[in-house]
Amino acid sequence: AQSVSQHNHHVILSEAASLELGCNYSYGGTVNLFWYVQYPGQHLQLLLKYFSGDPLVKGIKGFEAEFIKSKFSFNLRKPSVQWSDTAEYFCAVTGVHNDYKLSFGAGTTVTVRA
Amino acid sequence: DGGITQSPKYLFRKEGQNVTLSCEQNLNHDAMYWYRQDPGQGLRLIYYSQIVNDFQKGDIAEGYSVSREKKESFPLTVTSAQKNPTAFYLCATKGGSYNSPLHFGNGTRLTVT
Repeated sequence: AQSVSQHNHHVILSEAASLELGCNYSYGGTVNLFWYVQYPGQHLQLLLKYFSGDPLVKGIKGFEAEFIKSKFSFNLRKPSVQWSDTAEYFCAVTGVHNDYKLSFGAGTTVTVRA
Repeated sequence: DGGITQSPKYLFRKEGQNVTLSCEQNLNHDAMYWYRQDPGQGLRLIYYSQIVNDFQKGDIAEGYSVSREKKESFPLTVTSAQKNPTAFYLCATKGGSYNSPLHFGNGTRLTVT
């Protein structure tokens, strides 16, 4: 069975601070990895994804994530956050050979103070 | 305007009643999903359907039922057997290509009292 663990439940930081959200997954095979974001009052949307190739992937709004296979991790980073980054962030995993079943982590709420 | 429509946005029911949540899509996506979102637990997969007339249980299917009679529609019934039905329910779709992401609807908040 696949599962995702997100280390932080709630992160509070000031504008211009750097952000890193931890994500570890459990799956006995090759994976596809995702970060989704849910801004207040909006629906979930894809932030970035990793399927293969360069383990450092870049997404929208200056976010990036690094896949470290040996650590089963896919941490999300942003060098300098803005107030508009306030949202809930979800890490998700699916197996390459079972890509229809996507499993999500519990989510991390990020609050950016102006 | 393509998208996923979940209705209603808010739904209230008495305990012991079954209730059906609607999900309609015009994205022409084959795969459809139902997730339940609870604070601190993220999204948990209830049911998914890869194609019309076929569906599979997710991680928390007990107390729920679905049907997939049309490509556009994937209704979810929350039965009286579901012990904690009050939650935010999200419907999603996925396109046919391998690297397609999930597209989510705006959700239905169900409150059972």
